Amino acid sequence: DADVTQTPRNRITKTGKRIMLECSQTKGHDRMYWYRQDPGLGLRLIYYSFDVKDINKGEISDGYSVSRQAQAKFSLSLESAIPNQTALYFCATSSREHNEQFFNEQFFGPGTRLTVL
Amino acid sequence: GQQVMQIPQYQHVQEGEDFTTYCNSSTTLSNIQWYKQRPGGHPVFLIQLVKSGEVKKQKRLTFQFGEAKKNSSLHITATQTTDVGTYFCAGPSGTYKYIFGTGTRLKVLA
Repeated sequence: DADVTQTPRNRITKTGKRIMLECSQTKGHDRMYWYRQDPGLGLRLIYYSFDVKDINKGEISDGYSVSRQAQAKFSLSLESAIPNQTALYFCATSSREHNEQFFNEQFFGPGTRLTVL
Repeated sequence: GQQVMQIPQYQHVQEGEDFTTYCNSSTTLSNIQWYKQRPGGHPVFLIQLVKSGEVKKQKRLTFQFGEAKKNSSLHITATQTTDVGTYFCAGPSGTYKYIFGTGTRLKVLA
């Protein structure tokens, strides 16, 4: 969706470098997520944020950090990139749920393909 | 921890054949979502199921939520080349976040 943008779209870097992936959304959603996708492993949650003051670790947060600069912006950083962080990274957003039973759909950005040499 | 598995991992079908992917959770789910990711694209929401035994249809796609709310399936009737992609199920995990299945990659041979 054009409403969720990610930069850069592709990045090649070297082991040990610091990398920041950025996500912006114009959907006005409170909730933002960072996932990584690896072949055969599906989408795994790295970090998520329910508002600017709320940051939570996901399944695989080691080696990553995030910053929620504003409601519309959520950045993912790799402090010291390593080759096994080579993956496709997706940012996603969702609106506030109606209640605990009904979770709203997630809207994904176009992805960032990161290669760590 | 909670796991969501999908089978098969890959499926190649001739155009016009049917296709089914199965999603199995290690825990009971309050709801389940399905997404489709076209090659080179990003996941796009298809549908959400909430009720035990629920069946929903979208044209040639039929989605089912198991009676025990631990499994789900997506069936495509008479596949077309436009159905190519990876199909993911996703179930809630804890508070307001989802765990995605491993995905089933569908290839349709014309």
